[in-house]
Parts: sequence; structure tokens; C-alpha cells
Amino acid sequence: GAVVSQHPSRVICKSGTSVKIECRSLDFQATTMFWYRQFPKQSLMLMATSNEGSKATYEQGVEKDKFLINHASLTLSTLTVTSAHPEDSSFYICSARDRFGLSGNTEAFFGQGTRLTVV
Amino acid sequence: DAKTTQPNSMESNEEEPVHLPCNHSTISGTDYIHWYRQLPSQGPEYVIHGLTSNVNNRMASLAIAEDRKSSTLILHRATLRDAAVYYCILKEVNRDDKIIFGKGTRLHILP
Repeated sequence: GAVVSQHPSRVICKSGTSVKIECRSLDFQATTMFWYRQFPKQSLMLMATSNEGSKATYEQGVEKDKFLINHASLTLSTLTVTSAHPEDSSFYICSARDRFGLSGNTEAFFGQGTRLTVV
Repeated sequence: DAKTTQPNSMESNEEEPVHLPCNHSTISGTDYIHWYRQLPSQGPEYVIHGLTSNVNNRMASLAIAEDRKSSTLILHRATLRDAAVYYCILKEVNRDDKIIFGKGTRLHILP
């Protein structure tokens, strides 16, 4: 089945540094990818929609300058957490759908997640 | 996406069937019913989806009420590996692809 690969799976960084997370669709193309954040014991919260070749669309309350999203190709989206602080520590998850599948009638695929710890 | 309602948690014994309910009374005619599950420390994974008819796959079955205002995910023989949070989601055809997750049902499997 289709796979979405996320890298790294786990990262620890110092406060004030930036961290880049990659999300790749391995055997399909995706014009849109989605980034989620999940705190312990909570559900996934949608952060933004990554659009290939154009600007990302952010959900209300998500800081665009802090969470930089780039979707330079149909198989790769990156999320950069800039000037990370301990409160940014979370589980970040990406998802994508095959662009040739019918929206609604096509499953979404999720990455395995990235555990970010800011110390 | 239209809203769904699920119990916060459920328990089941290993090797017994599990029926996970979902209410979606405001479902529209073009909404597909999707189920995903999230195992601990992993991203969600697709389980099954359907529109009107019941659906079966290797993981589970999806029973959809005749009026489509509710559905039930059926795990025929639960194993410890099925312990996860199960999310019931409505997806409209030809709308944007983003999935808004509710709280889901945390399924506990007792050995």
C-alpha cells in the first residue's frame, strides 16, 4: 500500500534552534499534504495544509513564521519549527492523499510521526 | 467536515468481537464515513471507509445504518495489537482533503 515516510522519527534540540521535519510520499504524488500536532493524551490538531508550488494554508492560531512549511515537489513537504522552545515539544504528524484519487472516497496516509523535544 | 460522536473509551476481551459505534446525525448525502486508528506513539492508519453499503476488508467491517446517521466499526476478533484510539470521520467528495480529528474512542483490550 501507499506509504508516507516522515523523518526524523525523534529529535531533541536546544531551545532557540530550528528543526526541520520531512514528509515524503513514497509511491504516489500529493498536491496537498497536511501537518498535525499532537500533545500527550490529546487528539491530533491540524496545523496547516501544505500546497505544492504555493503557500501553505495555516489554521487559526498557528503562527506562520514559527512553523515554516515548504512543499517544493509532489512527493515532499517540510515543516521547520523555528526558534523552538520547550512548549513546542510535541508529536508532529504529516498526512497525504494520492492526487489521482477521488477526494472523500480515497484513504489518507499518515507518516509515523516525529517526536520533538526541546530542551 | 460534519461532526461525529464516539464514546470516549471501550473495553473488550481478547479474541472477542468489538463493536465501536459512531453517531453522525448531520451527515450529508455525499459524505463518506472513514475510520482511522492510532496505535501508541504512531501516526494514524486507515482502517476502512464506506458510503451507504456495509464494507468488509482484512482489518474490519463497517456497518452503516440505513439512514446513515450512525455506523459501527466491527473488529471480528480483537487482539492486544488492536488496542488504539479509533477515529470516525466524515469526508465529503470533492472537498478539501483535510481531516479534522475528534477525540475518538480509546479501545482497551483485556488479555
